[in-house]
Amino acid sequence: EAAVTQSPRSKVAVTGGKVTLSCHQTNNHDYMYWYRQDTGHGLRLIHYSYVADSTEKGDIPDGYKASRPSQENFSLILELASLSQTAVYFCATEGGQNTLYFGAGTRLSVL
Amino acid sequence: AQSVTQPDARVTVSEGASLQLRCKYSSSVTPYLFWYVQYPRQGLQLLLKYYSGDPVVQGVNGFEAEFSKSNSSFHLRKASVHWSDSAVYFCAVSRTGNYKYVFGAGTRLKVIA
Repeated sequence: EAAVTQSPRSKVAVTGGKVTLSCHQTNNHDYMYWYRQDTGHGLRLIHYSYVADSTEKGDIPDGYKASRPSQENFSLILELASLSQTAVYFCATEGGQNTLYFGAGTRLSVL
Repeated sequence: AQSVTQPDARVTVSEGASLQLRCKYSSSVTPYLFWYVQYPRQGLQLLLKYYSGDPVVQGVNGFEAEFSKSNSSFHLRKASVHWSDSAVYFCAVSRTGNYKYVFGAGTRLKVIA
C-alpha cells in the first residue's frame, strides 16, 4: 500500500481558477515537501513543512500556498492558476534518514 | 549555494552493456549525495546515497556510485544494463542538518536490444 498518496493524479484547470493538490502520508514522517517537475529542470522545491500547522517557502514559492493541517496531510494551493504552472507536481516525505519518499505525482494542465 | 549538474540529458545503451551516468555537484561542504530513479508515471525512488566512508557505494539492482571529492563528482555505474533499467535518473544533494534537497535536471536512459 502506497505510503504517500497524491490526489488527483491529473487535473485540467482554467487560467485564473483555484487549484488544490492534496498529499496524504502514512509514513509518520515529520518533513513533507512539494516539488515541481519541468522538462529540463529536474525537481524544484516549492514549499515544505516539518510540523503540522507550519509551512516554509522553498526555492520557487511565488504563486503557491501550502497548508499542513495535520501530520498526515499537506496541500498545495494555486489561488490563481496560470499557464506557467502547467507541470507535474510531486509530494515527498522524509523522516530523518535522509531519504525522500515520493508520491506518484499530479499532472496539472492549466488552459 | 548548492547545485547539481547532470551533463547528459539522454543516454542510449545496448542491453548488457555497461553504463555510467555523470553527476557533478557544487557545495561548500561535503554534502549528502543521492541517486534517484523515476520509472514512467511513477514518483522517484532512492537508488543509493552517500555521506562518508568508502567512496564506492552500492545500491539496489546492481547500481553503484563513486564519490570523488577532488572532482566534485558522484557518477552512477552499472556493469550490465537490462531493458527494465530504462528510466530517468536524478542526482541530488543535501547539506547535513539541512532538509532541503537540490536535484539535477535528470538523465533519461534508454536501453535498446
